[in-house]
Amino acid sequence: AQSVSQHNHHVILSEAASLELGCNYSYGGTVNLFWYVQYPGQHLQLLLKYFSGDPLVKGIKGFEAEFIKSKFSFNLRKPSVQWSDTAEYFCAVTPNRDDKIIFGKGTRLHILP
Amino acid sequence: GAVVSQHPSWVICKSGTSVKIECRSLDFQATTMFWYRQFPKQSLMLMATSNEGSKATYEQGVEKDKFLINHASLTLSTLTVTSAHPEDSSFYICSCRGANYGYTFGSGTRLTVV
Repeated sequence: AQSVSQHNHHVILSEAASLELGCNYSYGGTVNLFWYVQYPGQHLQLLLKYFSGDPLVKGIKGFEAEFIKSKFSFNLRKPSVQWSDTAEYFCAVTPNRDDKIIFGKGTRLHILP
Repeated sequence: GAVVSQHPSWVICKSGTSVKIECRSLDFQATTMFWYRQFPKQSLMLMATSNEGSKATYEQGVEKDKFLINHASLTLSTLTVTSAHPEDSSFYICSCRGANYGYTFGSGTRLTVV
């Protein structure tokens, strides 16, 4: 079945560590890709998105993601995490430029002070 | 920036009653609105897609007669959970898509059916 896969369900890191969260999708054709963050008790916020152009996308709060078409991947990275990055991160895809956004199951990130 | 208001933020209702949730785009026109539900510690599951003035498109497994969606204007969509039961307790989130192809999410509605 077509899907969005986030391989890491729960990640624990110390402050200043580097972060990479994996995301793979199984839809063919042209897709739009997103990473959202949900801080505890808050609603979803867009971190970054890819529609076309440079496959390395810069987002807010120092996050970036790289679209690798051949690998159907859109991994999220941050070189040095902070305690305030503790949150749940969702990768999302609009398949075939379809309007609807399909979410991965999320990765819960816990940063130790 | 684009703002989406969702109301109420939380509601408790008795089993068998109906609950209406509103989703409004405050400073832009939303050509398409989406309704999701999120169970605790799980991802957002798309329930339906609605375009202004037309019937909503429901995802497989979502009962359209139970989850009534009305998208009467470019700034308002409503989700009515009819004859709610405890298993309908969840976090419901709307998302609005504007002309600039941006998606903005509401703050969600926590529904508890007792």
